[in-house]
Amino acid sequence: GAVVSQHPSRVICKSGTSVKIECRSLDFQATTMFWYRQFPKQSLMLMATSNEGSKATYEQGVEKDKFLINHASLTLSTLTVTSAHPEDSSFYICSAREAVTDTQYFGPGTRLTVL
Amino acid sequence: GNSVTQMEGPVTLSEEAFLTINCTYTATGYPSLFWYVQYPGEGLQLLLKATKADDKGSNKGFEATYRKETTSFHLEKGSVQVSDSAVYFCALSVTGGGNKLTFGTGTQLKVEL
Repeated sequence: GAVVSQHPSRVICKSGTSVKIECRSLDFQATTMFWYRQFPKQSLMLMATSNEGSKATYEQGVEKDKFLINHASLTLSTLTVTSAHPEDSSFYICSAREAVTDTQYFGPGTRLTVL
Repeated sequence: GNSVTQMEGPVTLSEEAFLTINCTYTATGYPSLFWYVQYPGEGLQLLLKATKADDKGSNKGFEATYRKETTSFHLEKGSVQVSDSAVYFCALSVTGGGNKLTFGTGTQLKVEL
């Protein structure tokens, strides 16, 4: 199946700093990627839809100035958590939509810990 | 709005036992239905899907049938293995919904020898 990678797999940062997470589709092109947040023992919460070459669409309640999303190419989307605070600590997961099968393939996730 | 309800876990079974994880949904329009599996320390993987009523998705011995009349998509496996231990997520997407997935809360399955 199609492969999606995320980097880094885990990151620890100090409060107030910004962190960038990369999501790549390795063997297919993805015009649409999605960013999710997963809390412990809970489901995935969709944060935003990232479309190549255009602005991301954010879900209600998600601060677009806090979570900056860039989808500059058909294989790469980035999520930047700006001025991170401890409450931003979470597991962030991306997915990429493979158009031929209309299936979302998920990355392995990034564990963010803000001290 | 759209929502997915699945049985709470954790579910603990002995190897070779029969597995059922219930999933029901509410959706506007005609959704596609999915089961994803998340093994420890890994990302979600698509397990199976069904795109219209009465379709049966199947993979690795797991199967689920899209039941429009009961708005359900229960996951079943006749004989589970220790390697099936994971968290299972039921999800839906609706046509015209921007390919967004709505997930259930996940059900943890633990299979013991």
